Amino acid sequence: QQQVKQSPQSLIVQKGGISIINCAYENTAFDYFPWYQQFPGKGPALLIAIRPDVSEKKEGRFTISFNKSAKQFSLHIMDSQPGDSATYFCAASSTYSGAGSYQLTFGKGTKLSVIP
Amino acid sequence: KAGVTQTPRYLIKTRGQQVTLSCSPISGHRSVSWYQQTPGQGLQFLFEYFSETQRNKGNFPGRFSGRQFSNSRSEMNVSTLELGDSALYLCASSSQRGASYEQYFGPGTRLTVT
Repeated sequence: QQQVKQSPQSLIVQKGGISIINCAYENTAFDYFPWYQQFPGKGPALLIAIRPDVSEKKEGRFTISFNKSAKQFSLHIMDSQPGDSATYFCAASSTYSGAGSYQLTFGKGTKLSVIP
Repeated sequence: KAGVTQTPRYLIKTRGQQVTLSCSPISGHRSVSWYQQTPGQGLQFLFEYFSETQRNKGNFPGRFSGRQFSNSRSEMNVSTLELGDSALYLCASSSQRGASYEQYFGPGTRLTVT
C-alpha cells in the first residue's frame, strides 16, 4: 500500500527555535516530495519540494533533507516564528507517466505551535 | 496570476441528495486534481483530469465523479450523499509542462451532509 508516515502529530517550539518534522515513505516509485502548510480555513499552500537527485534543498528558513536509502525526508524550519503556527503536510508522488502518476499521497499532518 | 478558485465555499446538503462542486485552475494549467480532507482520513486523492480526460482515480466509490471542460475548469459530483461525505473538498491545479510538477490548491469547498 502506498503510504507516507509523518511524525510527530503535534509539535510545540519556542520562538526562534528549530522545528523538525519527519516523513517516511514505502513506494520506491515516488520521485517528488513536496511540503504543504495549511492554516485553518485555508487550502494547503506549497512550501518547498525536492526530487531524489539532491539530498538537501533550502528556501529561506525552510530546508528539506532527503535520505533516499532510508526512504525518509524531513522539513526543518529555522528561527521558527509564531506566524509559522499551522499544520504541515508532507506528500509524495511519482512523476512517471502511467497509472498513479502525479497523484499526491499525503502524510497525516503535524500541527505546529510556535510560542513567543 | 489569480490562484485556484472553488465555488461554492460552503454547502449544506441532506443525505440522499447530490452535489456539484466547481474548480477554476490557475490560468494555463491543464491538470486539475481533487482531494477530500477529513480529520480522520486526512487528505485523500479522488481523481485527476488532464485535457478533459480522467488520468487517475483514487479509491472512492462510483458516487464520486468528475469532469473537465475545454477551458480546464473542472467539476466534481457526489450523488446519493452520505453523512460520511462531510469533508473539505480541495481542488489543485498543475501545469505539468516540462519538469513542473507543483500542485497548487484552492481554498476548498466545505460540504456538510445532515
